[in-house]
Amino acid sequence: SAVISQKPSRDICQRGTSLTIQCQVDSQVTMMFWYRQQPGQSLTLIATANQGSEATYESGFVIDKFPISRPNLTFSTLTVSNMSPEDSSIYLCSVVPVTGESTDTQYFGPGTRLTVL
Amino acid sequence: QKEVEQNSGPLSVPEGAIASLNCTYSDRVSQSFFWYRQYSGKSPELIMSIYSNGDKEDGRFTAQLNKASQYVSLLIRDSQPSDSATYLCAVSFNGGFKTIFGAGTRLFVKA
Repeated sequence: SAVISQKPSRDICQRGTSLTIQCQVDSQVTMMFWYRQQPGQSLTLIATANQGSEATYESGFVIDKFPISRPNLTFSTLTVSNMSPEDSSIYLCSVVPVTGESTDTQYFGPGTRLTVL
Repeated sequence: QKEVEQNSGPLSVPEGAIASLNCTYSDRVSQSFFWYRQYSGKSPELIMSIYSNGDKEDGRFTAQLNKASQYVSLLIRDSQPSDSATYLCAVSFNGGFKTIFGAGTRLFVKA
C-alpha cells in the first residue's frame, strides 16, 4: 500500500487563526479524501480533493472554511480557517492508490491532531 | 440516506476466544465492504475487504458478506490482547466515489 505522510502531526492553535495540513503520498493515487474524527466519534468526510479543480464538499462543509488544494496526483492540503474550539479534532487524509487492491480501497495517513484554544 | 450501523460495544472477550463484529448497511447497491482497525490515538488501518457474498479468510480474520440481508461481519479467531481496538465497518458505492463508515465497535480482549 502507499506510504502517506501528514504534516503537522499535531498543533495547538489560537481561535481565529488558520492552519494548513499537508498530505503527501509516495506513489500516484486516483482519489484523495479529507476526513474529520472528533473524540470518540467515527469518521466524517469533509471533501474529496480533485486534482486541478475545486474539491467536492460534503453537506455541512464549505470551501471558505475548509479550502483544499490538490496540485498533483500525490499531494493535497486542507486549511482549517478562522478556527474555533469546535474545530478541535483529528484530521485525516486518505487515498486510493492507482495500483491498489481495488478502485475504492482507501488507506489513511497518520492524522493531524488539532487543538484550538 | 445511506447508513452503516454497528453496535458500539464495548465487546469484551477472553483471550483465545472468537470475537464476532457485526455491521448492517442500508443501500442495496453497495459494492465493496471493508473492515478497519483503529487503535486509540492512531489512524484507521485496513484489515479486510470483501466484495462478493460468502466468506473471505486472512489469517485469524474472516469477513462474511450477505448482500441479501445487507449484513457484513468480521470474525477474529484466537483473539489476542493486541486485538483490542475499535473496528470500523465501511461500505463503498458509486465506484468508490462514496464510502460510508460506521461508528465503530470497541473490542476488549482480556488476558
